[in-house]
Amino acid sequence: DTEVTQTPKHLVMGMTNKKSLKCEQHMGHRAMYWYKQKAKKPPELMFVYSYEKLSINESVPSRFSPECPNSSLLNLHLHALQPEDSALYLCASSEDQGSDYGYTFGSGTRLTVV
Amino acid sequence: QKEVEQDPGPLSVPEGAIVSLNCTYSNSAFQYFMWYRQYSRKGPELLMYTYSSGNKEDGRFTAQVDKSSKYISLFIRDSQPSDSATYLCAIPADRGSTLGRLYFGRGTQLTVWP
Repeated sequence: DTEVTQTPKHLVMGMTNKKSLKCEQHMGHRAMYWYKQKAKKPPELMFVYSYEKLSINESVPSRFSPECPNSSLLNLHLHALQPEDSALYLCASSEDQGSDYGYTFGSGTRLTVV
Repeated sequence: QKEVEQDPGPLSVPEGAIVSLNCTYSNSAFQYFMWYRQYSRKGPELLMYTYSSGNKEDGRFTAQVDKSSKYISLFIRDSQPSDSATYLCAIPADRGSTLGRLYFGRGTQLTVWP
């Protein structure tokens, strides 16, 4: 299995809702990442987990809350989002944090905040 | 100055053309260089990665790194309509507090018309 699987593929939520994005990989990768991508822009790093511990938080607002329950799973909990948070949210994994051999990205969750 | 600069295009070529995509970078300490392909509404897919200066070939794709001028290139031979996508160069930060971060170029949107 060489994939990163993200669910759901699409999500529409109101500004008062609470929702979660899920990411799963079974490649034995020890680092997992959340990226945010706006239209016609490159992905922007949000969080990095290494060996299930939060390693980097790119000063992301607290309405985004990451969680790594085990080495294969990564969640992103969403609460009280704003319309400007609408974007493609990408999960990625790599052998180790800062691996030089490439990161594997999922297909993303397209989030719309109304 | 941004770590990685990339002309966003768009670039439009006829089928069969040779495509040249380019990026420049600012930090001479960078050692690994990646190219990702992103189809519309999908996650980035790792196309190639190279180490230090030189060329790497994979089928119709050739990645080239010139560390003396901090210039990286991706060449696509015999381009096909299925190559139509956004191509992102990316460089991993490999030390200190930035370990795990991928510096992306803006992405070049390529269209190959039949």
